[in-house]
Amino acid sequence: SQELEQSPQSLIVQEGKNLTINCTSSKTLYGLYWYKQKYGEGLIFLMMLQKGGEEKSHEKITAKLDEKKQQSSLHITASQPSHAGIYLCGADTGGGNKLTFGTGTQLKVEL
Amino acid sequence: DAGVIQSPRHEVTEMGQEVTLRCKPISGHDYLFWYRQTMMRGLELLIYFNNNVPIDDSGMPEDRFSAKMPNASFSTLKIQPSEPRDSAVYFCASSLDGRKQFFGPGTRLTVL
Repeated sequence: SQELEQSPQSLIVQEGKNLTINCTSSKTLYGLYWYKQKYGEGLIFLMMLQKGGEEKSHEKITAKLDEKKQQSSLHITASQPSHAGIYLCGADTGGGNKLTFGTGTQLKVEL
Repeated sequence: DAGVIQSPRHEVTEMGQEVTLRCKPISGHDYLFWYRQTMMRGLELLIYFNNNVPIDDSGMPEDRFSAKMPNASFSTLKIQPSEPRDSAVYFCASSLDGRKQFFGPGTRLTVL
């Protein structure tokens, strides 16, 4: 099984709806990084979470880290077409100065 | 800063040919990463460097793959000979601390 699982794998929502993407690690999390990728492009850094219980927000996107559950969630409020893309979580599991990436969640926002 | 620069953006080659992908990291970043992304396997770390020294190459699939970083501003990933199963998008990323990484636009490789 994957070290870092994301759910759901894909998501279609109507514009204006809220949604949540989850990222669960099989190992202890020392840091969790969220990225967004548009088709044909590189990953864009969104947010970094390093402490248990930490929560960060940027515009309409909020990310939380539950250290005990080895899980992070990304919540988008009032989704817009500009939110469409692939969201990936990257985890620092203490294996060196590198990240392990999740399987990705593809988000489509319908008008 | 221009960000991480990769070239070429697209590469189409025939099986058995040598392929060289290039990356220029963000100035001042000590870490450089090479990743491969496919639909089946997602984003896989191939190798990463710290201060131009390879630290972890456990993700390099076979001896056909090699990576070099001759100086702080340039790295190459070479595949020789290439095979159709190497078709993927290859990303280079750089970082100050190895964790918050900045990605290049990728090279889409197609091996016929």
